[in-house]
Amino acid sequence: DIQMTQSPSSVSASVGDRVTITCRASQGIRNWLAWYQQKPGKAPKILIYAASSLLSGVPSRFSGSGSGTDFTLTISSLQPEDSAIYYCQQANTFPFTYGPGTRVDVK
Amino acid sequence: EMQLLESGGDLVQPGGSLRLSCVASEFSFSSYAMSWVRQVPGKGLEWVSAITGGADRTHYADSVQGRFTISRDNSKNTLYLQMNSLRAEDTAVYYCAKDEGRWGNVVGYFDLWGRGTLVTVSS
Repeated sequence: DIQMTQSPSSVSASVGDRVTITCRASQGIRNWLAWYQQKPGKAPKILIYAASSLLSGVPSRFSGSGSGTDFTLTISSLQPEDSAIYYCQQANTFPFTYGPGTRVDVK
Repeated sequence: EMQLLESGGDLVQPGGSLRLSCVASEFSFSSYAMSWVRQVPGKGLEWVSAITGGADRTHYADSVQGRFTISRDNSKNTLYLQMNSLRAEDTAVYYCAKDEGRWGNVVGYFDLWGRGTLVTVSS
């Protein structure tokens, strides 16, 4: 199975800050990567697919980049409602696998 | 509004069985692959199983292969997960999720999720 890692495991930042989360795959996955946001008690919500494509309706402050094994999710200007856990997920190979998550707290 | 609604979660003894259901509304259900994803409360996400729109192909995580069966009834807009030989480590919230890919193929990007149903395996 492809192992996904994320760093940092948690980050605390202020409103307006730029936040970057890194995701690494144990083997190349081309651009078959998605990013999800999960708030407490809620189901995950997809933000980005194909590493850099923003889902319709997702604020443009979210962006994704990368290919192969290294990927990033960037929140360009952190907002209070961005407080959540963010997961990366590879869709290159069965079984699909997720990173352990990054908790983002807004100060 | 597109929606997925899971049901069937319960407390079951180790070795027991359970069938989860997920009813879809407001989209062309048969046109999309579907998956089950689970999450131990307070922990991360684990993909469990997927099925194509036409139900001609299924895929499973190694952890459930041979014990769980995914199926769908497109006439009822319903996805199922039959869970047999349940173990304590199957305890989780089970989400059904719609695949983003068109044409019914499994792409692996999940753009619509249900609220989840809790399965607890304990004696």
